[in-house]
Amino acid sequence: QVQLVQSGAEVKKPGASVKVSCKASGYTFTSYGITWVRQAPGQGLEWMGWISTYNGNANYAQKFQGRVTMTTDTSTSTAYMDLRSLKSDDTAVYYCARGPIIFDSWGQGTLVTVSS
Amino acid sequence: EIVLTQSPGTLSLSAGERATLSCRASQSVSSSKLAWYQQKPGQAPRLLMYGVSTRAIGIPDRFSGRGSGTDFTLTISRLEPEDFAVYYCQQYGNSPTFGGGTKVGIK
Repeated sequence: QVQLVQSGAEVKKPGASVKVSCKASGYTFTSYGITWVRQAPGQGLEWMGWISTYNGNANYAQKFQGRVTMTTDTSTSTAYMDLRSLKSDDTAVYYCARGPIIFDSWGQGTLVTVSS
Repeated sequence: EIVLTQSPGTLSLSAGERATLSCRASQSVSSSKLAWYQQKPGQAPRLLMYGVSTRAIGIPDRFSGRGSGTDFTLTISRLEPEDFAVYYCQQYGNSPTFGGGTKVGIK
């Protein structure tokens, strides 16, 4: 069955960077893009961008341009999301999901806490 | 960016009742590219519906979707205990965006 397994919770200081991983299994990794969505505590879902696992091209939400980088390692079927210059309002659960436009499988989420 | 506004914010109903959730877009959603997700506390969202009215794999037929242009509705015909959750609409006609969510709570 399709599974997306994310890396564990992180605590970071303001100004630092965080890199979250998302390991896929149960399907051909390069057949579906990977999207990243975040959810601040008690809030709704926010689309951050997606990456083509076929050619590595990424498309980021304007809000995160210049601060986020999405990459993949096809040899391990793993996607990564790197977010820099962290601020307290980046505290959220970060999800990876399969698909570039509709998201039919999701990772379990990674809590990133930004606190001094 | 297309802004999606969901209403009501909270719906308090009993099991067996009908739930009607609304999602309104700030501009027309092209080619009916609208999806719905269900999220339970502490869990990731789950895809319920895409293309306005196509149920995802494994989604029971008590869930139905309709609408076009800027106005969309998700209906749960008879609420089961496992349906109490938060529901989000999402458009994917343009850069994807999500609505703010509707919580379906127990009355």
